[in-house]
Amino acid sequence: AQSVTQPDIHITVSEGASLELRCNYSYGATPYLFWYVQSPGQGLQLLLKYFSGDTLVQGIKGFEAEFKRSQSSFNLRKPSVHWCDAAEYFCAGGGNRDDKIIFGKGTRLHILP
Amino acid sequence: GAVVSQHPSRVICKSGTSVKIECRSLDFQATTMFWYRQFPKQSLMLMATSNEGSKATYEQGVEKDKFLINHASLTLSTLTVTSAHPEDSSFYICSAQKGGPSTDTQYFGPGTRLTVL
Repeated sequence: AQSVTQPDIHITVSEGASLELRCNYSYGATPYLFWYVQSPGQGLQLLLKYFSGDTLVQGIKGFEAEFKRSQSSFNLRKPSVHWCDAAEYFCAGGGNRDDKIIFGKGTRLHILP
Repeated sequence: GAVVSQHPSRVICKSGTSVKIECRSLDFQATTMFWYRQFPKQSLMLMATSNEGSKATYEQGVEKDKFLINHASLTLSTLTVTSAHPEDSSFYICSAQKGGPSTDTQYFGPGTRLTVL
């Protein structure tokens, strides 16, 4: 079955430290992959997306993600986090012939001052 | 950009009443709109997919008679929660898409917090 898994429910990093949020997918073909961020009580904002081509995707707010087919992963990275990055992060994916996308359960990012 | 709005942002209603939530794509035409429900500290669960001018496709376990979806134009979809009960209290989020996943992505509204007393 198609699925998107975010293994970490909570992640805590210090301000200024690097960040990596994990995402694994299970799809038969190359999926369409997304990372969204949700601040408390808000909707979702698209950080970046991967459809095809270059496996390293640059997004907004200094985020990037790398598609690794061999590991079925699409991890989100940022070299130096800021306090305002504290939020819930969702990885999502969709199949080739299906317009629906499936969301992971989310990872809540906490930033230590 | 692609902006999606939702109205109202918050609504409180009495048990047994109906509530309508609007989702609008402000600067593009959306061939497809999606309605999600998000429980506290949980992920988004797709409720239904609506295409302009046709009936919505509901996910398994979602009561179509309770959650009425209308997609009357390329910029507006509405979700009506009929005979609302406290267990319907949730955060409802819509998204709008210009094309399929191969050409575009979903743009999300800010969500509507529904509280049923």
